[in-house]
Amino acid sequence: NAGVTQTPKFQVLKTGQSMTLQCAQDMNHNSMYWYRQDPGMGLRLIYYSASEGTTDKGEVPNGYNVSRLNKREFSLRLESAAPSQTSVYFCASSQARGIHNEQFFGPGTRLTVL
Amino acid sequence: AQKITQTQPGMFVQEKEAVTLDCTYDTSDQSYGLFWYKQPSSGEMIFLIYQGSYDEQNATEGRYSLNFQKARKSANLVISASQLGDSAMYFCAMRADNYGQNFVFGPGTRLSVLP
Repeated sequence: NAGVTQTPKFQVLKTGQSMTLQCAQDMNHNSMYWYRQDPGMGLRLIYYSASEGTTDKGEVPNGYNVSRLNKREFSLRLESAAPSQTSVYFCASSQARGIHNEQFFGPGTRLTVL
Repeated sequence: AQKITQTQPGMFVQEKEAVTLDCTYDTSDQSYGLFWYKQPSSGEMIFLIYQGSYDEQNATEGRYSLNFQKARKSANLVISASQLGDSAMYFCAMRADNYGQNFVFGPGTRLSVLP
């Protein structure tokens, strides 16, 4: 099992460019999440998908869109990148939304916006 | 609002000694889960330990234990017999119904284990 995979691992964009971060999980999990990690701020939730076919905003959704393509895949799109979106992005999944279920994380994507 | 506080930005511990990483939380929920994750320098997030709000006993997983004090709203991570490989960032996180059962993370504590 690969667990949670993310592509790409690194990306450099210019301001105004767009890109899509891909995430897939092979654990048959229902819920998937996108976070960004900035120094001193921990992880902040951008968007989540409680189950296939649903998506909802998290704490910091501005400037991002998501697509839950199927049960396995959950992508994050930056339509017009800004320097403030320079961050490390993590995708995660969990079996369900119960409070006792831990989340499994992908390896992260380090994004730099110039 | 849900909030996690980790007041120690950085900690040092001598190899083979025990260390406690602090975590306090704020929630109005009665039912919630508390988690600790480790992030080594390679960047991945590794789940360490879980404590449910209704669990009567403190959680333990190998060298990790969680000192859960519900009245104080604290969930400190205790690492016994520290190893050099324990050097990493450690994040405390919470899931509660009031936040749609989504995770809220603290800012993290960087632990350095000295030889």
